[in-house]
Amino acid sequence: EAQVTQNPRYLITVTGKKLTVTCSQNMNHEYMSWYRQDPGLGLRQIYYSMNVEVTDKGDVPEGYKVSRKEKRNFPLILESPSPNQTSLYFCASSSSNQPQHFGDGTRLSIL
Amino acid sequence: AQSVAQPEDQVNVAEGNPLTVKCTYSVSGNPYLFWYVQYPNRGLQFLLKYITGDNLVKGSYGFEAEFNKSQTSFHLKKPSALVSDSALYFCAVRDLLYSGAGSYQLTFGKGTKLSVIP
Repeated sequence: EAQVTQNPRYLITVTGKKLTVTCSQNMNHEYMSWYRQDPGLGLRQIYYSMNVEVTDKGDVPEGYKVSRKEKRNFPLILESPSPNQTSLYFCASSSSNQPQHFGDGTRLSIL
Repeated sequence: AQSVAQPEDQVNVAEGNPLTVKCTYSVSGNPYLFWYVQYPNRGLQFLLKYITGDNLVKGSYGFEAEFNKSQTSFHLKKPSALVSDSALYFCAVRDLLYSGAGSYQLTFGKGTKLSVIP
Protein backbone atom coordinates (compact mmCIF):
# COMPACT_ATOMS: atom_id res chain seq x y z
CA GLU A 1 0.00 0.00 0.00
CA ALA A 2 1.30 3.43 -0.99
CA GLN A 3 1.82 5.49 2.10
CA VAL A 4 3.68 8.19 3.97
CA THR A 5 4.49 7.16 7.53
CA GLN A 6 5.27 9.60 10.31
CA ASN A 7 6.48 8.81 13.81
CA PRO A 8 5.64 9.56 16.50
CA ARG A 9 1.97 10.49 16.08
CA TYR A 10 1.92 12.34 19.38
CA LEU A 11 4.70 13.79 21.51
CA ILE A 12 4.75 15.94 24.62
CA THR A 13 8.17 17.25 25.52
CA VAL A 14 9.93 20.15 27.20
CA THR A 15 11.67 23.24 25.92
CA GLY A 16 15.20 22.64 24.72
CA LYS A 17 15.11 18.85 24.47
CA LYS A 18 16.12 17.84 20.94
CA LEU A 19 13.61 15.75 19.05
CA THR A 20 13.27 14.14 15.64
CA VAL A 21 10.08 13.35 13.75
CA THR A 22 10.63 10.68 11.15
CA CYS A 23 8.94 10.49 7.76
CA SER A 24 9.18 7.63 5.31
CA GLN A 25 7.48 7.05 1.95
CA ASN A 26 7.33 3.85 -0.12
CA MET A 27 6.40 5.36 -3.49
CA ASN A 28 9.89 6.26 -4.73
CA HIS A 29 8.86 9.92 -4.84
CA GLU A 30 11.63 12.41 -5.47
CA TYR A 31 9.88 15.30 -3.71
CA MET A 32 9.19 15.43 0.03
CA SER A 33 8.01 18.27 2.22
CA TRP A 34 7.20 19.21 5.81
CA TYR A 35 4.27 21.42 6.78
CA ARG A 36 2.91 22.71 10.03
CA GLN A 37 -0.80 23.28 10.53
CA ASP A 38 -2.02 25.89 12.97
CA PRO A 39 -5.61 27.10 13.55
CA GLY A 40 -6.50 29.97 11.25
CA LEU A 41 -3.22 29.73 9.36
CA GLY A 42 -3.76 26.62 7.26
CA LEU A 43 -0.69 24.69 6.13
CA ARG A 44 2.66 26.41 6.02
CA GLN A 45 5.69 24.80 4.46
CA ILE A 46 8.75 24.34 6.66
CA TYR A 47 11.30 22.62 4.39
CA TYR A 48 11.21 20.62 1.23
CA SER A 49 13.52 18.32 -0.69
CA MET A 50 13.73 17.78 -4.41
CA ASN A 51 15.86 14.64 -4.11
CA VAL A 52 18.60 13.00 -2.07
CA GLU A 53 20.94 15.59 -0.55
CA VAL A 54 18.85 18.45 -1.99
CA THR A 55 16.85 20.43 0.56
CA ASP A 56 15.57 23.99 0.73
CA LYS A 57 13.70 26.32 3.07
CA GLY A 58 9.97 26.79 2.87
CA ASP A 59 7.99 29.65 4.37
CA VAL A 60 8.67 29.01 8.07
CA PRO A 61 12.06 27.23 8.44
CA GLU A 62 13.33 28.94 11.63
CA GLY A 63 14.03 26.47 14.43
CA TYR A 64 13.94 23.40 12.20
CA LYS A 65 16.43 21.23 10.35
CA VAL A 66 15.97 18.44 7.83
CA SER A 67 18.11 15.90 6.04
CA ARG A 68 17.63 13.69 2.98
CA LYS A 69 20.26 10.99 3.02
CA GLU A 70 17.98 8.41 1.43
CA LYS A 71 15.19 8.89 -1.06
CA ARG A 72 12.52 7.37 1.17
CA ASN A 73 13.29 9.24 4.42
CA PHE A 74 12.97 12.90 5.32
CA PRO A 75 13.29 13.49 9.08
CA LEU A 76 12.39 16.79 10.73
CA ILE A 77 14.72 17.84 13.53
CA LEU A 78 14.01 20.35 16.28
CA GLU A 79 17.40 20.98 17.90
CA SER A 80 16.06 23.17 20.72
CA PRO A 81 12.26 23.10 20.68
CA SER A 82 10.31 26.04 22.00
CA PRO A 83 6.60 26.40 22.91
CA ASN A 84 5.85 28.30 19.68
CA GLN A 85 6.67 25.08 17.81
CA THR A 86 3.69 23.37 19.38
CA SER A 87 1.71 22.40 16.33
CA LEU A 88 0.41 19.65 14.07
CA TYR A 89 3.07 18.56 11.57
CA PHE A 90 2.57 16.82 8.25
CA CYS A 91 5.01 15.17 5.91
CA ALA A 92 4.11 14.83 2.23
CA SER A 93 5.66 13.35 -0.89
CA SER A 94 4.98 13.46 -4.60
CA SER A 95 6.38 12.97 -8.05
CA SER A 96 6.16 15.67 -10.72
CA ASN A 97 2.66 16.72 -11.76
CA GLN A 98 1.04 14.40 -9.26
CA PRO A 99 -0.94 15.17 -6.09
CA GLN A 100 0.98 15.19 -2.85
CA HIS A 101 0.47 12.24 -0.52
CA PHE A 102 0.29 13.13 3.17
CA GLY A 103 1.14 11.30 6.35
CA ASP A 104 -1.37 11.16 9.20
CA GLY A 105 0.36 13.91 11.13
CA THR A 106 2.40 14.37 14.30
CA ARG A 107 0.96 16.42 17.11
CA LEU A 108 3.78 18.07 19.07
CA SER A 109 3.29 19.79 22.39
CA ILE A 110 6.31 21.63 23.79
CA LEU A 111 5.97 22.75 27.38
CA ALA B 1 3.86 34.42 -6.70
CA GLN B 2 0.98 32.02 -6.32
CA SER B 3 -1.76 32.34 -3.74
CA VAL B 4 -5.13 30.89 -2.90
CA ALA B 5 -8.02 32.19 -0.81
CA GLN B 6 -10.86 30.35 0.85
CA PRO B 7 -13.18 33.16 1.90
CA GLU B 8 -15.30 31.12 4.31
CA ASP B 9 -13.89 29.70 7.54
CA GLN B 10 -17.00 27.57 8.00
CA VAL B 11 -19.86 26.36 5.84
CA ASN B 12 -22.98 24.79 7.31
CA VAL B 13 -25.40 22.83 5.15
CA ALA B 14 -28.32 20.53 5.83
CA GLU B 15 -27.98 16.88 4.90
CA GLY B 16 -29.32 16.26 1.40
CA ASN B 17 -28.82 19.86 0.27
CA PRO B 18 -26.20 20.86 -2.28
CA LEU B 19 -22.94 22.21 -0.93
CA THR B 20 -20.36 24.64 -2.26
CA VAL B 21 -16.96 25.42 -0.77
CA LYS B 22 -15.35 28.43 -2.40
CA CYS B 23 -11.79 28.90 -3.59
CA THR B 24 -10.13 31.64 -5.61
CA TYR B 25 -6.53 31.67 -6.78
CA SER B 26 -3.83 33.90 -8.18
CA VAL B 27 -0.98 32.73 -10.44
CA SER B 28 1.28 34.27 -13.05
CA GLY B 29 0.93 31.45 -15.55
CA ASN B 30 -1.71 28.73 -15.78
CA PRO B 31 -2.97 27.07 -12.60
CA TYR B 32 -2.79 23.49 -11.47
CA LEU B 33 -5.54 23.23 -8.84
CA PHE B 34 -6.33 20.70 -6.13
CA TRP B 35 -8.86 20.01 -3.43
CA TYR B 36 -7.93 18.02 -0.34
CA VAL B 37 -10.05 16.88 2.59
CA GLN B 38 -8.91 16.38 6.17
CA TYR B 39 -10.85 14.25 8.62
CA PRO B 40 -10.12 14.50 12.37
CA ASN B 41 -6.77 13.01 13.37
CA ARG B 42 -5.88 12.25 9.77
CA GLY B 43 -3.68 13.72 7.08
CA LEU B 44 -4.93 15.46 3.98
CA GLN B 45 -6.52 13.22 1.39
CA PHE B 46 -6.59 14.12 -2.29
CA LEU B 47 -10.10 14.72 -3.69
CA LEU B 48 -9.62 16.03 -7.21
CA LYS B 49 -7.44 18.13 -9.47
CA TYR B 50 -7.63 20.36 -12.51
CA ILE B 51 -4.79 20.98 -14.93
CA THR B 52 -6.46 21.32 -18.30
CA GLY B 53 -9.51 20.20 -20.24
CA ASP B 54 -13.14 20.16 -19.13
CA ASN B 55 -13.90 22.90 -16.63
CA LEU B 56 -16.00 20.53 -14.51
CA VAL B 57 -13.80 18.02 -12.73
CA LYS B 58 -15.18 14.99 -10.94
CA GLY B 59 -13.42 13.49 -7.95
CA SER B 60 -13.77 11.12 -5.04
CA TYR B 61 -16.87 10.65 -2.84
CA GLY B 62 -19.20 12.37 -5.34
CA PHE B 63 -17.41 15.72 -5.20
CA GLU B 64 -16.81 17.88 -8.23
CA ALA B 65 -15.23 21.25 -8.83
CA GLU B 66 -15.76 23.91 -11.45
CA PHE B 67 -12.81 25.80 -12.89
CA ASN B 68 -13.63 29.37 -13.95
CA LYS B 69 -10.69 31.13 -15.54
CA SER B 70 -12.32 34.55 -15.82
CA GLN B 71 -13.24 34.56 -12.13
CA THR B 72 -10.03 32.73 -11.09
CA SER B 73 -12.14 30.36 -9.05
CA PHE B 74 -12.23 26.64 -8.38
CA HIS B 75 -15.26 26.00 -6.18
CA LEU B 76 -15.89 22.56 -4.73
CA LYS B 77 -19.43 21.22 -5.05
CA LYS B 78 -21.57 18.24 -4.23
CA PRO B 79 -25.22 17.83 -5.25
CA SER B 80 -26.37 16.20 -2.01
CA ALA B 81 -24.40 16.55 1.23
CA LEU B 82 -23.88 13.69 3.67
CA VAL B 83 -23.16 13.97 7.39
CA SER B 84 -19.97 12.02 6.69
CA ASP B 85 -18.78 14.88 4.44
CA SER B 86 -18.21 16.99 7.56
CA ALA B 87 -14.49 17.75 7.54
CA LEU B 88 -11.91 20.43 6.80
CA TYR B 89 -11.40 21.19 3.11
CA PHE B 90 -8.29 22.73 1.57
CA CYS B 91 -7.83 24.23 -1.85
CA ALA B 92 -4.28 24.32 -3.25
CA VAL B 93 -2.64 25.79 -6.33
CA ARG B 94 0.57 25.42 -8.26
CA ASP B 95 1.67 27.83 -10.98
CA LEU B 96 2.53 25.92 -14.16
CA LEU B 97 4.85 28.77 -15.09
CA TYR B 98 7.45 27.40 -12.70
CA SER B 99 9.90 24.58 -13.34
CA GLY B 100 12.41 22.84 -11.10
CA ALA B 101 11.50 23.07 -7.43
CA GLY B 102 8.55 25.26 -8.30
CA SER B 103 7.01 22.45 -10.29
CA TYR B 104 6.26 20.65 -7.05
CA GLN B 105 5.41 23.49 -4.69
CA LEU B 106 1.82 23.85 -3.59
CA THR B 107 0.27 26.85 -1.88
CA PHE B 108 -2.67 25.96 0.35
CA GLY B 109 -5.65 27.97 1.44
CA LYS B 110 -6.42 28.29 5.13
CA GLY B 111 -9.14 25.68 4.97
CA THR B 112 -12.91 25.67 5.25
CA LYS B 113 -14.68 23.65 7.88
CA LEU B 114 -17.75 21.97 6.42
CA SER B 115 -20.48 20.92 8.83
CA VAL B 116 -23.37 18.88 7.47
CA ILE B 117 -26.33 18.98 9.81
CA PRO B 118 -28.58 15.92 10.04
